[in-house]
Amino acid sequence: DGGITQSPKYLFRKEGQNVTLSCEQNLNHDAMYWYRQDPGQGLRLIYYSQIVNDFQKGDIAEGYSVSREKKESFPLTVTSAQKNPTAFYLCASELAGGLNEQFFGPGTRLTVL
Amino acid sequence: KQEVTQIPAALSVPEGENLVLNCSFTDSAIYNLQWFRQDPGKGLTSLLLIQSSQREQTSGRLNASLDKSSGRSTLYIAASQPGDSATYLCATERYNQGGKLIFGQGTELSVKP
Repeated sequence: DGGITQSPKYLFRKEGQNVTLSCEQNLNHDAMYWYRQDPGQGLRLIYYSQIVNDFQKGDIAEGYSVSREKKESFPLTVTSAQKNPTAFYLCASELAGGLNEQFFGPGTRLTVL
Repeated sequence: KQEVTQIPAALSVPEGENLVLNCSFTDSAIYNLQWFRQDPGKGLTSLLLIQSSQREQTSGRLNASLDKSSGRSTLYIAASQPGDSATYLCATERYNQGGKLIFGQGTELSVKP
């Protein structure tokens, strides 16, 4: 089955910890995206990557970091510098960066204890 | 800066009713507009993608229209069913933005049996 997987489904973080969210796709898509969703709000873009070994900041990149070493994988690290990390995180991919449908993973819910 | 608005924030209808969800955007320089469905605690499911050169797209009981000049899109759902209950999100992709989507805040639809 082709699709996007995210893990874990639920993640708990203590104050001061860095945590990494996984996103994998087997759709052979070039572009991948990370969005954050807060209650009652639309999705906001954190980082995106249109090609391996390249990525750009989105609208709310502060306190986050990413890597794109493989086409299939685009992990997101939430660092201790992110002041309000509790949210629902969604990963998406697209055949190429622009003009195409974006497909989303099931999401990871991060809670800071 | 593109702003996407969805009104109403919530809508409740009886089963079998035809309904329209609204999406408006401030910048008409878009590549496309995409409609998504989100069930509680889940990722987004793509419903319809309308390219900027198109006026509408249809999939089963769903029909989405796009009027760039007025900055509006509608999602028409025919013969609504309880299984249609979910949050519906629209998102625009602007020219030369590398696939970045700007989302509305969504309309939460409840279809009562």
